[in-house]
Amino acid sequence: DSGVTQTPKHLITATGQRVTLRCSPRSGDLSVYWYQQSLDQGLQFLIQYYNGEERAKGNILERFSAQQFPDLHSELNLSSLELGDSALYFCASSYQRGGTQYFGPGTRLTVL
Amino acid sequence: GDSVTQMEGPVTLSEEACLTINCTYTATGYPSLFWYVQYPGEGLQLLLKATKADDKGSNKGFEATYRKETTSFHLEKGSVQVSDSAVYFCALSDGTGANNLFFGTGTRLTVIP
Repeated sequence: DSGVTQTPKHLITATGQRVTLRCSPRSGDLSVYWYQQSLDQGLQFLIQYYNGEERAKGNILERFSAQQFPDLHSELNLSSLELGDSALYFCASSYQRGGTQYFGPGTRLTVL
Repeated sequence: GDSVTQMEGPVTLSEEACLTINCTYTATGYPSLFWYVQYPGEGLQLLLKATKADDKGSNKGFEATYRKETTSFHLEKGSVQVSDSAVYFCALSDGTGANNLFFGTGTRLTVIP
């Protein structure tokens, strides 16, 4: 158990809908990262937050957004969902921006 | 840009066989290198890491050495077990402070009794 929690575990929704994925980092960790794992793209970095502020962006679509709250939990919002957004979404956390990242169990999103 | 090239799978081995999964990288600066493992139905777990050239990471009988001259970080284990069956990912962090991870495509290992 890495100490990073993600909810929900599974999410099934329809095209055009909007969903929110939630991540709670390990106790004391200030950085949160979001990754997408899909069959065709592999594991890709989406976005990073550090102590409430966005620090880095990767291959994140404009339809996707994220935020980190004062209690350090983070949410990833996915809107106008398409079939191709079906994937496993992982959250990771680290104490410092340069620290080792520990991953949560992931949220499996299925868009029908 | 930074990238990781990982040996294509799948790999099937008999129990107690030797394992090598090749990983090479391209990076500017001085990246840290990682191996993560994903067991069936689970998230990613850090297996081992190395933060500078010639460092050797090791855990659970697995080893990998950071080779700057060959830009490689091959994963090795002398005797695999059925419980090692999983997908293994090589990754690097860019070392610029943002610390984003760039992953290889993953190598699926199946160990048969």
